[in-house]
Amino acid sequence: DAGITQSPRYKITETGRQVTLMCHQTWSHSYMFWYRQDLGHGLRLIYYSAAADITDKGEVPDGYVVSRSKTENFPLTLESATRSQTSVYFCASCRQGVTEAFFGQGTRLTVV
Amino acid sequence: QKEVEQNSGPLSVPEGAIASLNCTYSDRGSQSFFWYRQYSGKSPELIMSIYSNGDKEDGRFTAQLNKASQYVSLLIRDSQPSDSATYLCAVTPTDKLIFGTGTRLQVFP
Repeated sequence: DAGITQSPRYKITETGRQVTLMCHQTWSHSYMFWYRQDLGHGLRLIYYSAAADITDKGEVPDGYVVSRSKTENFPLTLESATRSQTSVYFCASCRQGVTEAFFGQGTRLTVV
Repeated sequence: QKEVEQNSGPLSVPEGAIASLNCTYSDRGSQSFFWYRQYSGKSPELIMSIYSNGDKEDGRFTAQLNKASQYVSLLIRDSQPSDSATYLCAVTPTDKLIFGTGTRLQVFP
């Protein structure tokens, strides 16, 4: 189906483990974004990508790694998960020029 | 100073009234401005975009932009209980998309 999908939808992991959140879009959008959403903080930008092989830091990049080898995929990796990274993570994409962005369903990550 | 500021609310309005939501931003170079609606437990969905000074109307929604004052607003006319949600303002300084913390709107019958 066309659109933007995230996987997994729910994940529980232990402190110190590496975990990767997946994001896939079928529109061939140039831009992709990763956000985390926590009570009282709204949506905070972690990393974004303007095109394949181009990534840049957002507001809260520490502890996260991204890659974008293909236009349609933008995985987010927590190299060594901490409890403070417990959050809801949203991926979004939009066309060239940062126009209207469309969001995935979100991934609820719990670090215990 | 946060790049995008919103009052967290809640903003409570009676059914049928006009709800007014406000947003200020810090980067004068911002070119594009958006309003998203987010229901509890769901993803944000775009409801309005505005790129130039003035008003833009779409059904019951009107977005207003004043670049000189670095101010964006959203008016919802004839508010309905189904409009109860969090409204997020988003701005594009350079090639990023930055959100405010959102304003929670409650429309009571």
